[in-house]
Amino acid sequence: SYELTQPLSVSVALGQTARLTCGGNNIGNKNVHWYQQKPGQAPVLVMYRNNNRPSGIPEQFSGSNSGNTATLTISRAQGGDEADYYCQVWNSSTIMLFGGGTKLTVL
Amino acid sequence: QVQLQESGPGLVKPSQTLSLMCSVSAGSISSGDYHWSWIRQPAGKGLEWIGRLHSSGTTNYSPFLKSRVTMSFDTSKNQFSLKLTSVTAADTAVYYCARDGYCSGGYCYWDGSLHIWGQGTTVTVSS
Repeated sequence: SYELTQPLSVSVALGQTARLTCGGNNIGNKNVHWYQQKPGQAPVLVMYRNNNRPSGIPEQFSGSNSGNTATLTISRAQGGDEADYYCQVWNSSTIMLFGGGTKLTVL
Repeated sequence: QVQLQESGPGLVKPSQTLSLMCSVSAGSISSGDYHWSWIRQPAGKGLEWIGRLHSSGTTNYSPFLKSRVTMSFDTSKNQFSLKLTSVTAADTAVYYCARDGYCSGGYCYWDGSLHIWGQGTTVTVSS
C-alpha cells in the first residue's frame, strides 16, 4: 500500500527558511496538498496541487514536488508558523492518504 | 463564505453506532461541484481519512473502515452524515467534515484537496 513519510519534527531559526518534506514512491506523479494545524484548531489548507496557495495564505509559503519527495517551504519563518503540517494525496486506488505530520518549531 | 459545522453525540457506548451530521451554510451540497469528506483525529495523533461522497451517489471509503461506514446526504437540510457502526475505544477522536475539491474558471476539480473544514467535534467511545 502507498505511504507518505514525513519527519516527526523540524526546527528553524526565526526568520529563516523551513523545508518540510513528504516522501512517497514517485510522489512527483501525484498532486500533493499540505495542511497546517495549530493546537486545538481544525487543519487549514496552505498548499494544493503541489504549488498553489489558497487565497489568504501568505506568499512565504511555497511548494514543490518531484521524484520521490514533495516539499513545503516556509520562508522567513515566524512564531505564528509553529504548527503541525500534514501532506496528503489522493491516490489511484481512490483513497485519500495523509502523512504522519511534522511538528514545526520556530526557535 | 461557506462554513461547515459538525454535530452529534459526544459520547457513544462501545458496540453502538456513531452518528454525526455536517451542516453546510451556503451553496447546495447537491450541486455536484464538490465531494464532501469526513476525517478524524485521535488525540495526539495524525489525520485519518474516513471517506467522501458526491451528489451523484458515488462514495469512497477508507478500506480500513469500509465495512463499518455509511455516508449519505440530507439535501432538504443541506447536510451530510456519517454513520460508523460497532464502535470501540479506538474510534474515539475529533471528527471533521470538509469540502473536497475546488472550482475555478468555470471548472471544478476533484483532486482531494480539502479547502474548507468544520471546527471538529469530539466523540468519545466509553461505557
